[in-house]
Amino acid sequence: ETGVTQTPRHLVMGMTNKKSLKCEQHLGHNAMYWYKQSAKKPLELMFVYNFKEQTENNSVPSRFSPECPNSSHLFLHLHTLQPEDSALYLCASSQEAENTEAFFGQGTRLTVV
Amino acid sequence: GESVGLHLPTLSVQEGDNSIINCAYSNSASDYFIWYKQESGKGPQFIIDIRSNMDKRQGQRVTVLLNKTVKHLSLQIAATQPGDSAVYFCAENLGNKLTFGGGTRVLVKP
Repeated sequence: ETGVTQTPRHLVMGMTNKKSLKCEQHLGHNAMYWYKQSAKKPLELMFVYNFKEQTENNSVPSRFSPECPNSSHLFLHLHTLQPEDSALYLCASSQEAENTEAFFGQGTRLTVV
Repeated sequence: GESVGLHLPTLSVQEGDNSIINCAYSNSASDYFIWYKQESGKGPQFIIDIRSNMDKRQGQRVTVLLNKTVKHLSLQIAATQPGDSAVYFCAENLGNKLTFGGGTRVLVKP
């Protein structure tokens, strides 16, 4: 248990569906992240939020829409995804956005059919 | 780990032996480095970190070495145990971006 909780753990969705991934951290951290881990690529940074403000969008397609309502919660809204978006989506948090260790959740295994 | 399908370099090591995992990082301006361990079905777990003003740091059974001249990072695991079997990632931090390497799979043979 790292203090970062992701739900759901598994998700299967059709290409026309809309779904959301949720991440919650209980560590009092100020920075939160979304990463994508696919079968064919290393861990890829998607988004960074620092004090609820998005500070990094790593050229992520607009079908992925993050939301950070407060420092403890992070969402990833999904719509009209493609099968190649199937991957493990990992949320992480850290005390600050720079030069501090990131703590990861267990991830959401997403399958797009 | 969750990198099934990704061709990862694999290190097979006998239980009780020492393991050395290597990583080349890309940006000479990176100033903070972390090693993570990822077991199957889990997210990456922090092992040890090192800042660029150091060249060595030791933890419990683990040592990280940093060679900034050649942009190389290594993780040494002493007396490797079956529970050490996992995928190991190095990560470099520059600004607010933590960038991960491709990972190395460690298999511990009994």
